[in-house]
Amino acid sequence: KAGVTQTPRYLIKTRGQQVTLSCSPISGHRSVSWYQQTPGQGLQFLFEYFSETQRNKGNFPGRFSGRQFSNSRSEMNVSTLELGDSALYLCASSSQPENTEAFFGQGTRLTVV
Amino acid sequence: TQLLEQSPQFLSIQEGENLTVYCNSSSVFSSLQWYRQEPGEGPVLLVTVVTGGEVKKLKRLTFQFGDARKDSSLHITAAQPGDTGLYLCAGAVGGSQGNLIFGKGTKLSVKP
Repeated sequence: KAGVTQTPRYLIKTRGQQVTLSCSPISGHRSVSWYQQTPGQGLQFLFEYFSETQRNKGNFPGRFSGRQFSNSRSEMNVSTLELGDSALYLCASSSQPENTEAFFGQGTRLTVV
Repeated sequence: TQLLEQSPQFLSIQEGENLTVYCNSSSVFSSLQWYRQEPGEGPVLLVTVVTGGEVKKLKRLTFQFGDARKDSSLHITAAQPGDTGLYLCAGAVGGSQGNLIFGKGTKLSVKP
């Protein structure tokens, strides 16, 4: 069974631009979470979606948003990019939101210049 | 703020040596997970421990959950270069991904 797929793998954007990242969960998994990983802060939770509804949100500014579609695929959007948004963005899926065991994708490496 | 502290932050050892990585918090967790992440990849789940005092073994890796469910350790016996990677612990304070707290990780390098 295919794993979690994230696209694109790498992205370079300029300050002030906006970006959309995509995540396709494991087939049958309906819960999708997004994380930001940086060397200084480690893995930080962004948000969690289940059945097209945001269930939880981390402590990030409103520039970070996401959504989930009826087929469980998810996107996250970052508007007005800042240099500090450079990070590895990871998507994780689980079968149910109550299941905390996460299956991660390979991530999208975002560089803001 | 709930924190999960991992130590050591970096570890460089020779092939064949043993090592232990620690994960500590003042919070009680309903479960704790260990992940390994290789460069350019996402974290891969190694194990989940749920019961206080629980010990799980995965080949040369031994995971232990503290009796009070506030801490955990990962012990690797006879480390091999293939064990190189970033080891992350993550504690769950509730039944939801949003309640999963990650440590900053231990970067392990095993030299042949």
